[in-house]
Amino acid sequence: DAKTTQPPSMDCAEGRAANLPCNHSTISGNEYVYWYRQIHSQGPQYIIHGLKNNETNEMASLIITEDRKSSTLILPHATLRDTAVYYCIVREPPGTASKLTFGTGTRLQVTL
Amino acid sequence: DAGVTQSPTHLIKTRGQQVTLRCSPISGHKSVSWYQQVLGQGPQFIFQYYEKEERGRGNFPDRFSARQFPNYSSELNVNALLLGDSALYLCASSFLGLGMGSYEQYFGPGTRLTVT
Repeated sequence: DAKTTQPPSMDCAEGRAANLPCNHSTISGNEYVYWYRQIHSQGPQYIIHGLKNNETNEMASLIITEDRKSSTLILPHATLRDTAVYYCIVREPPGTASKLTFGTGTRLQVTL
Repeated sequence: DAGVTQSPTHLIKTRGQQVTLRCSPISGHKSVSWYQQVLGQGPQFIFQYYEKEERGRGNFPDRFSARQFPNYSSELNVNALLLGDSALYLCASSFLGLGMGSYEQYFGPGTRLTVT
C-alpha cells in the first residue's frame, strides 16, 4: 500500500475553511485517494474520494495535485461538529485486495 | 434505512476467554469487513467477507476468525484473549467485495472490548 503522511493536529476557527493536507508520494497510477473522518467514539465516516481530478460533494472538496503526490481536503465552512480525526487513505488498485489502510490521521479541532 | 449495526456495544472479558462480536450490514450490502482500533491508532484491517467467503485477511493471529451468514451478517470470534486485544472492533459493509471496484465502506459504531 502507498503510505500517507498527515500532520498530527490542526486547529480551525468555526466558519472558516479547514484545509487538511496529505502527502502520498509513492502512490501508484491507478490508486485512489480516500478521506474518512472519525468523530470521538464513533466509526469512521466516508467523506470523499478521487483518482486525479478534483472532486466536490456536499461535505467537502478534494484537491489532488497534478503529479498526484499530495492532496488537500477542504471543509469550506467548518463547524464545531467537524471536530474529528481525519484519515487520508490510498486504496490498492482494483483487482487486488482493496482493504482500507489507516494511518494515525490529523486531529482537527474547530473552535469558536 | 438502518446503517451498520454491531452488538454488543461494550464487553468486558478476562484473559484466556473467548468472545463473539456481531455485525449486520446495510440492507443490500453483501460484503463485511472487520477492523481493530487500539486506543490512539487508526483502524487495522482484520478480515473481509463477501458472499460468505473470506476474501481478505490482515496480519492477525489464528486466534481471530470470522464468518458470514446467508443473510450477510457476520461474526468475529477471538479465542484465548490477551490484554492487547482490548480495542474498538469496527465492522464495515460495502456493496461489493475485494477487487470489485472502488465502492466505499460504511462503518458501524463499533464494539468496545476490554480484556482484564
